[in-house]
Amino acid sequence: AQSVTQLGSHVSVSEGALVLLRCNYSSSVPPYLFWYVQYPNQGLQLLLKYTSAATLVKGINGFEAEFKKSETSFHLTKPSAHMSDAAEYFCAVSNTNAGKSTFGDGTTLTVKP
Amino acid sequence: KAGVTQTPRYLIKTRGQQVTLSCSPISGHRSVSWYQQTPGQGLQFLFEYFSETQRNKGNFPGRFSGRQFSNSRSEMNVSTLELGDSALYLCASLRDTFSYNEQFFGPGTRLTVL
Repeated sequence: AQSVTQLGSHVSVSEGALVLLRCNYSSSVPPYLFWYVQYPNQGLQLLLKYTSAATLVKGINGFEAEFKKSETSFHLTKPSAHMSDAAEYFCAVSNTNAGKSTFGDGTTLTVKP
Repeated sequence: KAGVTQTPRYLIKTRGQQVTLSCSPISGHRSVSWYQQTPGQGLQFLFEYFSETQRNKGNFPGRFSGRQFSNSRSEMNVSTLELGDSALYLCASLRDTFSYNEQFFGPGTRLTVL
């Protein structure tokens, strides 16, 4: 069985500040990990994915995440927040079956001017 | 390349009715998965179809069913609608699982049950 825990359902940062969204996972097999972003009334857009190639993964829009096996974590960061980053972010885990992912509860990011 | 499309985008039904939602995957993608998104339960996996066969199934009652056609388009059906079925239904497509790929999501169908 696999699961994802996103710490903090709401995160608020000032424009230009560091963004840190936390994700911890549980998986009985080496996991594939993902971060998605969802804007209101839209589907999910992939930000980045970890598939065991490199522990530091760079994604779109300046986001990156680091896979830490010892901490079972996959936190999402961005050095400088932009107003357009305000959205809901989901961490997801999948085993080798890519068609079935388990999602965290999501974190709503607010960016203050 | 066109993305994943879902129809209709919005739907209003009453309790007891049934509904069919449609999903057209990205061209060349053979896997289609369905997810239910609600404020209370978050994103939950419904089922996945690959080459017209259901490959995985989540923990939903039998009122939720799906199918996939030879062109990879998929439909999901919910019978005897309940108020709790109100949700955003997302479909996602995947090329294959022989080399790992990520899922691409459609915009969703928002179902309201009155």
